Amino acid sequence: EPEVTQTPSHQVTQMGQEVILRCVPISNHLYFYWYRQILGQKVEFLVSFYNNEISEKSEIFDDQFSVERPDGSNFTLKIRSTKLEDSAMYFCASRGAGGTYNEQFFGPGTRLTVL
Amino acid sequence: GNSVTQMEGPVTLSEEAFLTINCTYTATGYPSLFWYVQYPGEGLQLLLKATKADDKGSNKGFEATYRKETTSFHLEKGSVQVSDSAVYFCALNSGGSNYKLTFGKGTLLTVNP
Repeated sequence: EPEVTQTPSHQVTQMGQEVILRCVPISNHLYFYWYRQILGQKVEFLVSFYNNEISEKSEIFDDQFSVERPDGSNFTLKIRSTKLEDSAMYFCASRGAGGTYNEQFFGPGTRLTVL
Repeated sequence: GNSVTQMEGPVTLSEEAFLTINCTYTATGYPSLFWYVQYPGEGLQLLLKATKADDKGSNKGFEATYRKETTSFHLEKGSVQVSDSAVYFCALNSGGSNYKLTFGKGTLLTVNP
């Protein structure tokens, strides 16, 4: 069964450093998302991406964040200069068209720890 | 804006007990409603969904009914197993062009043998 994969599973970085979180969505999906969950809090929407551009972003997704689909398979989230409060679990999701158009399929997440 | 309120956990039950996890929502329009489950060390998996009022979603013995009059989507299972131990998330999307999800805070369920 196709699945969304994410790497790394855990990333530890120093405050101020850049990090890139990687995702491989399901191959025939067209819509891509990043969410995050700070420990003990809700899963929050960050950004959606379609047709090689951002379709919607939340207020959390400021200038420090960017997303890219550098090739036909990867979808990345970059944080330019990490802050302590960026420590969270980051989930990638993808969505197709057709019968499951309404369903998002999630990866296992990347736990980001900013020291 | 959209919001989801979920029963606070953690919830601890004995095997074969009845489970209810409450979920209520606030949304514009006609949202689709979802329950996701996260097993230890894994990602979010869709457990069940309902896309219109009075729909019942069901999977693996779990059920939830979309109640528009009470804006609720409570998760139930008649007899839980140890393997059901996980975090359960209620979520909605309001459609539009993005179908972004709004989640509740999650409820940790622990089932003891």
